[in-house]
This record gives sequence, structure tokens and C-alpha cells, in this order.
Amino acid sequence: QLRLQESGPGLVKPSETLSLTCTVSGGSIRSTSFYWGWIRQPPGKGLEWIGSMSYSGSSHYMPSLKSRVTISIDTSKNQFSLKLSPVIAADTAVYFCARHVVGIGLYYFDQWGQGTLVTVSS
Amino acid sequence: EIVMTQSPATLSVSPGESATLSCRASQSVNNNLAWYQQKPGQAPRLLIYGASTRATGIPPNFSGSWSGGEFTLTISRLQSEDFAVYYCQQYSNWPSSFGGGTRVELK
Repeated sequence: QLRLQESGPGLVKPSETLSLTCTVSGGSIRSTSFYWGWIRQPPGKGLEWIGSMSYSGSSHYMPSLKSRVTISIDTSKNQFSLKLSPVIAADTAVYFCARHVVGIGLYYFDQWGQGTLVTVSS
Repeated sequence: EIVMTQSPATLSVSPGESATLSCRASQSVNNNLAWYQQKPGQAPRLLIYGASTRATGIPPNFSGSWSGGEFTLTISRLQSEDFAVYYCQQYSNWPSSFGGGTRVELK
């Protein structure tokens, strides 16, 4: 069974870089049927898609975050990563990694990690 | 960017009753809509995609439909484990967007 697990610091200072990694187990990240994405959820609020990437390196980002976001994939480790820089207090959220089903375009998220809370504070 | 509006924000339902949740898009998304369930402290779980197709392992008391640009998630015979927040997501137009959620609470 596919499992996704986020890891990374839970506290980041304003203006610094948020770095998270998602480790995929129980399946290969190398698939043309899926992208690998990040979604966040500020405390008590709704979901916001951040961006997604294919194993071959094709990527799509939410326009409002594009200038600050980089997603990368390491197929040798079956992992993908998120970098957000520079961070502000409003970036405080639970960050989820997820498998993004693709077809003609990017579709829905069918498998999710448990999420990790990242707080931006000095 | 397409705005997804969910209503009501909160729905109070008694166990055994049915709940009807709505999601409307600011422009046409055809049937490119998914529903998710999220319980406190957990990740969202995919319930429905293609507006009406249940995801693997989702029981038949969850059903999705759409008509005239309005999408509906119906939960019949509510059980205690169904009390949660439900989100819709459109994936017709890039970038994908989520609704604000509907909380289904115990009446």
C-alpha cells in the first residue's frame, strides 16, 4: 500500500527557507500516471494547492506562490521536496504531500501524507 | 482562477439521517470535481472524483451528483465516523482550487 510521509523542521524564522521532504514507500515515484504535489492548510482554515511535479521534472505551481516555491524530485530516493522562500508568518500551516492523479491535465489527489505543521516565527 | 463556493458552512445532522452538501463553481468545470473528507488532525481522504465516481474503498452511502453547474455530495444514513469537514476541488481549469469546506456536525 502506498504511503507518503512528510519530514522537515517544524519551526522556521521569517525571511528564511522552509524545506520539507516527502518520502514515498510502497510504490514507485516513477509513473506517468501521477504527479507529486504539496498542499497546505493554515490553522483552522481550508486547503490550498501549492504545486506539483512529475518524476520527469515537469512542474506546475500556484501562481500566487510561484515566485517563492521550488519542488524537486529525487527518483533514486523515491522522494520529492518543497522549498518556500522567503517565508512570512502567513505561511504557517500544516503542509501535506500527496499523489496527484493526471490525465489530460492535473486532476485530484488520491493519496495523502499525514501532514506536518510548520510554524513561521522568530 | 475559479472560485469554489460550498454551502452551508456548517450542517447539523442527527445520526441515521442524510446530509446534502453543495459546491458551486464560479465558471463551468464540467464534471471535473472531487470531494474529500477531513477529520480533525488527519489528512483529507478522497471520496468522489469525476463528480460522481466513488474512490476505492468508499462506502455506497456517499454519493456525488451534478446538475447545471451545481455539485452535490449526499451522505445517507450518517454514522458517527461521518462527522467531519468536507471539501470540494475543481480540476477542470488550472490552477486547481478547493472550496472553503462544509462542517457536518452532530445535532
